[in-house]
Amino acid sequence: QVQLVESGGGVVQPGRSLRLSCTASGLTLRMFAMHWVRQAPGKGLEWVAFISDDGINQNYPDSVKGRFTISRDTSRNTLYLQMNSLRVEDTAVYYCAREAGAFDMWGQGTVLTVSS
Amino acid sequence: DIQMTQSPSTLSASVGDRVTITCRASQSIFRWLAWYQQKPGKAPKLLIYKASILESGVPSRFSGSGSGTEFTLTISSLQPDDFATYYCQQYNNPFTFGPGTKVDIK
Repeated sequence: QVQLVESGGGVVQPGRSLRLSCTASGLTLRMFAMHWVRQAPGKGLEWVAFISDDGINQNYPDSVKGRFTISRDTSRNTLYLQMNSLRVEDTAVYYCAREAGAFDMWGQGTVLTVSS
Repeated sequence: DIQMTQSPSTLSASVGDRVTITCRASQSIFRWLAWYQQKPGKAPKLLIYKASILESGVPSRFSGSGSGTEFTLTISSLQPDDFATYYCQQYNNPFTFGPGTKVDIK
């Protein structure tokens, strides 16, 4: 079955760090550009990170630049999002998504709550 | 950064209605626009990419048009399964979503 499964969410205090994972089944991550997208409670979608299919290029919006890092482990077929200096406003459901044209495949999401 | 707007923000409609949602970009994105459908508690689902290409498996009642800065998503005959929130997304430089349009039951 072709799918993306996120994990690693939870409750963390402001200023702390957390790493999210996105494990792919039935597809090879290194063949695709990949993204993380988040959705705060009751809000719309916000793109937060991109990694190119060759793993060389990454990009982020200003809201997370310098705090979030996207990476991947091709041997584990897993995508990561390292999140540092977390803020209350980072609270959201985090989705990983495959880019094939547009974002054609999404995981089910993992929930991050940043709260003291 | 490219900003995306959608109108209306909420749309009340009945089964069988023809529904049109508009998405505008702050600068030309050529045809690098996608439409997604999202239901509560679920991940978004790609409906249309490159402004007008229907994703495989998506019903033909969905269609997209436009180029440059103005785009539309049309549902030709609204079905019960179509009540959801719809987002446009530009993927020209780099990636921005519109604020969404909620389609609810009239």
